Amino acid sequence: DTEVTQTPKHLVMGMTNKKSLKCEQHMGHRAMYWYKQKAKKPPELMFVYSYEKLSINESVPSRFSPECPNSSLLNLHLHALQPEDSALYLCASHSGFPTYGYTFGSGTRLTVV
Amino acid sequence: AQTVTQSQPEMSVQEAETVTLSCTYDTSESDYYLFWYKQPPSRQMILVIRQEAYKQQNATENRFSVNFQKAAKSFSLKISDSQLGDAAMYFCAYGRSYGGSQGNLIFGKGTKLSVKP
Repeated sequence: DTEVTQTPKHLVMGMTNKKSLKCEQHMGHRAMYWYKQKAKKPPELMFVYSYEKLSINESVPSRFSPECPNSSLLNLHLHALQPEDSALYLCASHSGFPTYGYTFGSGTRLTVV
Repeated sequence: AQTVTQSQPEMSVQEAETVTLSCTYDTSESDYYLFWYKQPPSRQMILVIRQEAYKQQNATENRFSVNFQKAAKSFSLKISDSQLGDAAMYFCAYGRSYGGSQGNLIFGKGTKLSVKP
């Protein structure tokens, strides 16, 4: 399995809702990332989980909270989001070795209404 | 801090022709990787080609090749025999070799490539 799987592919949520995005990989990669991508812009890093340690982009608001239940699974919990949080959320993983790079999932298109 | 610059917001090429997308970067590190990613409207970020900074030989993948000029910090992508399926947003990206907490990718702003039949 050489894929990063993201679910759901599309999500519409109200500003008072709580929802979660899921990212899964079975390549044995030890680093996983959440990126946010607005239309016609490059992805921006939100969080990194590397060997079970979390690194945070300090500009990310607290209404986003990551969770890494195990080395294959990465969740992004969403609560009280704003319409400007509508974007494509991409998950990626890295093997931790220089022989190869990053594998991306196909993303979750999030719309906050 | 590392930066990646793509100076061409949009490019257009005739089918079967060749096009070159430009990318420059800035870093003080000596060991790193450079990537070109393709993102079609389907939004999947697809790796096109990668280059290890310690290798002088330019990477090639079928119709895709790079011109890596380490001293000039330049990393351009050449697409030969362009096909309609090559139409997409292309991102140049910089990454550290070992990934991890320091290994997030730094992207340029992207170049939108159109292919005319």
